[in-house]
Amino acid sequence: GESVGLHLPTLSVQEGDNSIINCAYSNSASDYFIWYKQESGKGPQFIIDIRSNMDKRQGQRVTVLLNKTVKHLSLQIAATQPGDSAVYFCAEVNAGNMLTFGGGTRLMVKP
Amino acid sequence: GAVVSQHPSWVICKSGTSVKIECRSLDFQATTMFWYRQFPKQSLMLMATSNEGSKATYEQGVEKDKFLINHASLTLSTLTVTSAHPEDSSFYICSQAGQGGETQYFGPGTRLLVL
Repeated sequence: GESVGLHLPTLSVQEGDNSIINCAYSNSASDYFIWYKQESGKGPQFIIDIRSNMDKRQGQRVTVLLNKTVKHLSLQIAATQPGDSAVYFCAEVNAGNMLTFGGGTRLMVKP
Repeated sequence: GAVVSQHPSWVICKSGTSVKIECRSLDFQATTMFWYRQFPKQSLMLMATSNEGSKATYEQGVEKDKFLINHASLTLSTLTVTSAHPEDSSFYICSQAGQGGETQYFGPGTRLLVL
């Protein structure tokens, strides 16, 4: 069952608006980060990645921003669509290519 | 990216039985695969790293005798939940690193329900 008080933060946006999902990471030595999208009942899907020598990277409708000073990542989705509704996780890639996941944010897109 | 499959996609079993979950790499050979567990509304938690031809490396708190991992070939890793109990009910997901080595690509997951 669900632990008391444990829930995913939710971001609700109108279709067509831009979405910004934030993530704080813990290891200042991490040099590679990945954003994943997880739809209900499915495994995480790679969206975009960024290395620590960059502060911005753009993909198709998505942009990842990295602020190493405050150990913060953000994922921006332009013109959000209903198909973007999912849970989004950031992940740090650590030694041995092991991932440490953030807590996740649920994105809900209102038509 | 890498293409990973899992079988079965969902399974219901009785308490005390064992369940085997398969993770297959479909497009290239993977010396390392990872097994995760995810409870509802939570993030993924790494259970173990599966290494082809050698013993798996388990995370702290994960019982190696309960969650048996076998990585007998470069395209197949299996996770066996032995003597399953209701608290083992969860979403089990495997992943493998892509050819570059760093980015992990995930399978579709296996939902286990232990009655």
